[in-house]
Amino acid sequence: GQSLEQPSEVTAVEGAIVQINCTYQTSGFYGLSWYQQHDGGAPTFLSYNALDGLEETGRFSSFLSRSDSYGYLLLQELQMKDSASYFCAVSGAGNMLTFGGGTRLMVKP
Amino acid sequence: DVKVTQSSRYLVKRTGEKVFLECVQDMDHENMFWYRQDPGLGLRLIYFSYDVKMKEKGDIPEGYSVSREKKERFSLILESASTNQTSMYLCASSSSGGATYEQYFGPGTRLTVT
Repeated sequence: GQSLEQPSEVTAVEGAIVQINCTYQTSGFYGLSWYQQHDGGAPTFLSYNALDGLEETGRFSSFLSRSDSYGYLLLQELQMKDSASYFCAVSGAGNMLTFGGGTRLMVKP
Repeated sequence: DVKVTQSSRYLVKRTGEKVFLECVQDMDHENMFWYRQDPGLGLRLIYFSYDVKMKEKGDIPEGYSVSREKKERFSLILESASTNQTSMYLCASSSSGGATYEQYFGPGTRLTVT
């Protein structure tokens, strides 16, 4: 089976940098994805890491260490609109996604 | 832009009723998925389909069935709704091959079973 752990809640101030960690245990692993979901909205895809290292997309970066079964999402220059829930998800056997429980990020002025 | 639509945003049903949730995507995607989302549990896969008339069980298929008669449409059926099926239901689609990690979600249906 698959299991993922991420913090349930993180709080940061506008303009700061925040890191959301995700550790996983999986019987098959192809890659780690990150999704963002605003309250009342649909989850939207942010990034995908299949290989070790850092992937940068604007203010957001995602990191993967396959040997440590660990990844993180890094958000820089935080804005109020970044307040949302963030989910890590593992692509495993059958190429299905298994999602973590989500991290609620609150950005304060 | 990929668009995934779901038939209802909110639905209230009684215990024992048969419930149909419909999902339509407009991007000619091969893969379609049904998840339920509960606080603290993330999104859990109920069923997915990789082609018309094909379906595979996800992690929590009990009490649910699905139908995919056309490529763009994927239906979730609760044969006899129960209160523990009160939840947010999300439909998603993705292209075939290795890109199933990038899924496009609909706005969700919040189902309440009383």
